[in-house]
Amino acid sequence: KAGVTQTPRYLIKTRGQQVTLSCSPISGHRSVSWYQQTPGQGLQFLFEYFSETQRNKGNFPGRFSGRQFSNSRSEMNVSTLELGDSALYLCASSLTSNYGYTFGSGTRLTVV
Amino acid sequence: KNEVEQSPQNLTAQEGEFITINCSYSVGISALHWLQQHPGGGIVSLFMLSSGKKKHGRLIATINIQEKHSSLHITASHPRDSAVYICAVRSMEETSGSRLTFGEGTQLTVNP
Repeated sequence: KAGVTQTPRYLIKTRGQQVTLSCSPISGHRSVSWYQQTPGQGLQFLFEYFSETQRNKGNFPGRFSGRQFSNSRSEMNVSTLELGDSALYLCASSLTSNYGYTFGSGTRLTVV
Repeated sequence: KNEVEQSPQNLTAQEGEFITINCSYSVGISALHWLQQHPGGGIVSLFMLSSGKKKHGRLIATINIQEKHSSLHITASHPRDSAVYICAVRSMEETSGSRLTFGEGTQLTVNP
């Protein structure tokens, strides 16, 4: 079966711009969570969506937002990009949080 | 002090050696995950544990809830095992959702 698909794989944006990243979960998975990975901070939880509702949010500024559609696909948006937002953004899907996760390949965002 | 600590940070082994990576955490947890990340960023979920021991091929994961400690063992290591291994926990305080807290990772290099 198809895995978790993240698009785009690579992205270069300019400071002040906004960006939208997409994550298509495994069919039937209703939970989608997002993570940011940087060399300095490692992996950090951004937020989780379940059945179109944000169920949990990490300690990130309001510039980071997301949503989930009725088909469980999720998008995250970062507005007013800063250089420090350069990172690998990963999403993971699961049936529920009591099951294991399947991660996507990530979107590598570079802010210049 | 981080909630999740891994040791060692870096590990170099010769092909065929038995490898152990350790993870200690400071909070009550409902689940612990071991993840593998190859260059390029993709993450593979290896194990999800809440008690005892799990085995998959040459990989074995154990957890001691009382001591707040988990280990990942690789038997008969191979150069293709070279990757970053990451421990992540879900806090028991999380009544719903899949918020994970991550260790900093262990960079494993297996030489032929």
